Amino acid sequence: GAVVSQHPSRVICKSGTSVKIECRSLDFQATTMFWYRQFPKKSLMLMATSNEGSKATYEQGVEKDKFLINHASLTLSTLTVTSAHPEDSSFYICSARANLGSGRAYEQYFGPGTRLTVT
Amino acid sequence: DAKTTQPPSMDCAEGRAANLPCNHSTISGNEYVYWYRQIHSQGPQYIIHGLKNNETNEMASLIITEDRKSSTLILPHATLRDTAVYYCIVKSGGGADGLTFGKGTHLIIQP
Repeated sequence: GAVVSQHPSRVICKSGTSVKIECRSLDFQATTMFWYRQFPKKSLMLMATSNEGSKATYEQGVEKDKFLINHASLTLSTLTVTSAHPEDSSFYICSARANLGSGRAYEQYFGPGTRLTVT
Repeated sequence: DAKTTQPPSMDCAEGRAANLPCNHSTISGNEYVYWYRQIHSQGPQYIIHGLKNNETNEMASLIITEDRKSSTLILPHATLRDTAVYYCIVKSGGGADGLTFGKGTHLIIQP
């Protein structure tokens, strides 16, 4: 259980175009999803927190108008990189927060990641 | 800033137990210790978490010291597929915050 998928796994786009990445929780409902970015040989950095039915909360330094997040249902969040530039090339990873029941801590389950290359 | 300290890398022979240490001396009473690992070019994988008691599941065991200032993740019989970066993270269990990843420990299992 607790499987998270991402689509696409890899995408190459031209500079100036927009790219949408989907994150789905397959066997559980997630009121909260998170988006991370990882540059080569670096650790994951949290970009934003996505809450179902409300606006996303962005980390300091992350442009909300460039990285549009929509969490329209309890199983789907999307990240759209608008007007992509080569410096946006990175590994984008989502996670979904699972409520395992009363008295238990929440766990986050991660998707497999999306490799974005902007040419 | 990450609130944990881990060695940057470790080697372990295949079939032996891998013991990965983590220091979290500033952990507060409501914070859990979580362990994740990331195999190259994949998303992180949840391993285990605990509050103060030792925990065991099908993947690993987590030993937390009595003062909760440090912990050890134990992979009982390491295989080559366990080669990955292992992250020790502390956060409150009920919080709605994302995870703060440090640099982790790159565990290399040697054949």
